[in-house]
Amino acid sequence: GQQVKQSSPSLTVQEGGISILNCDYENDMFDYFAWYKKYPDNSPTLLISVRSNVDKREDGRLTVFLNKSGKHFSLHITASQPEDTAVYLCAAGARNNNAPRFGAGTKLSVKP
Amino acid sequence: GPKVLQIPSHQIIDMGQMVTLNCDPVSNHLYFYWYKQILGQQMEFLVNFYNGKVMEKSKLFKDQFSVERPDGSYFTLKIQPTALEDSAVYFCASSLGDKNTLYFGAGTRLSVL
Repeated sequence: GQQVKQSSPSLTVQEGGISILNCDYENDMFDYFAWYKKYPDNSPTLLISVRSNVDKREDGRLTVFLNKSGKHFSLHITASQPEDTAVYLCAAGARNNNAPRFGAGTKLSVKP
Repeated sequence: GPKVLQIPSHQIIDMGQMVTLNCDPVSNHLYFYWYKQILGQQMEFLVNFYNGKVMEKSKLFKDQFSVERPDGSYFTLKIQPTALEDSAVYFCASSLGDKNTLYFGAGTRLSVL
């Protein structure tokens, strides 16, 4: 079954606003959480990642929030810009060489 | 940044034939992955490979699938024989460590007729 789920296939945000992308997971053993960005006809590239020992990580306009008890993590993008328009994939992985599992993606559109 | 190259970008073969998908990973990376994405669906994990061995594989990694990286050259995914349901885009990725950034190739679109 799908171990990592992104329930919103798309999101539209006005330029300057906050984009909030959500991801739910099933496996209690996941301890690594990441967000990848994918432009059309390009490969996914890593944006930001966290380990399970923190609840939050900031990097510029990006913040990842991790809610372990709720098996949920999110990506917040402040001051959203048209160039943030892309598909965002969440990923989660477990210890012991387990490869990350990916969500289906959320297509973010930032309107000028 | 580091590049993962996948050759070819598109391959068309007849059902029952063998196919080998090639991946040239980032040169100093140690972990290698294949993911499969059927059109309109999410990218699903197939297999990861480290130190010459399969570390983990999913249910999608059927007996007809095999992977290898002979002598540090291409990391390959072989399907023998192919089936219609193998039609998909196959993404290769590599990473330095098991929890480091995955670097993806552009994918090989496999069409099984």
